[in-house]
Amino acid sequence: EAQVTQNPRYLITVTGKKLTVTCSQNMNHEYMSWYRQDPGLGLRQIYYSMNVEVTDKGDVPEGYKVSRKEKRNFPLILESPSPNQTSLYFCASSPIDRGTGEQYFGPGTRLTVT
Amino acid sequence: QQQVKQSPQSLIVQKGGISIINCAYENTAFDYFPWYQQFPGKGPALLIAIRPDVSEKKEGRFTISFNKSAKQFSLHIMDSQPGDSATYFCAARIPRKAGGTSYGKLTFGQGTILTVHP
Repeated sequence: EAQVTQNPRYLITVTGKKLTVTCSQNMNHEYMSWYRQDPGLGLRQIYYSMNVEVTDKGDVPEGYKVSRKEKRNFPLILESPSPNQTSLYFCASSPIDRGTGEQYFGPGTRLTVT
Repeated sequence: QQQVKQSPQSLIVQKGGISIINCAYENTAFDYFPWYQQFPGKGPALLIAIRPDVSEKKEGRFTISFNKSAKQFSLHIMDSQPGDSATYFCAARIPRKAGGTSYGKLTFGQGTILTVHP
């Protein structure tokens, strides 16, 4: 089944404790992206990647890191989480140069930082 | 700066009624306008999309109306059903530039929580 998977789905952590949220897709998509969803603000892009070893900042990159060492994986790293990073996070992937460019979203990771 | 503004924030409709969600954008370079539907506990999924050279697109009970001169587009859900209860996001995409890295960037609206009462 074609899908984007994220782990963990739920995470409660404390301020300053480094964490990684994994994202993997099995559709051989070049483009991958991370979003955060907050009430009243919609979905805001954190980072994106056009292909392996190619990443760039989105609209709200502060406090986050990403890497793209393999085409299928795009982990999101919070080196020192803070309470304002409490949010619902989504990973998405999309093909480039074929199809409509539709983005396929993972199921989400709900992060709480206390 | 919010480049895509969506309204209303929430909407309650009776079964069988028409649900209308509106979006306005600022950047005339956007080349693709999708709507995503999100059920509780799930990620958003593409519902319907339109390109700016078309004024209307219909898929079943869902219709996008697009007004290029006003820089507005809207989603109409005809004969709304309780199963349509979800959060809806409009979005707009920046086109790919030759050699650029911005392809596929979607700017989303704030979202609309739709509740359809039976």
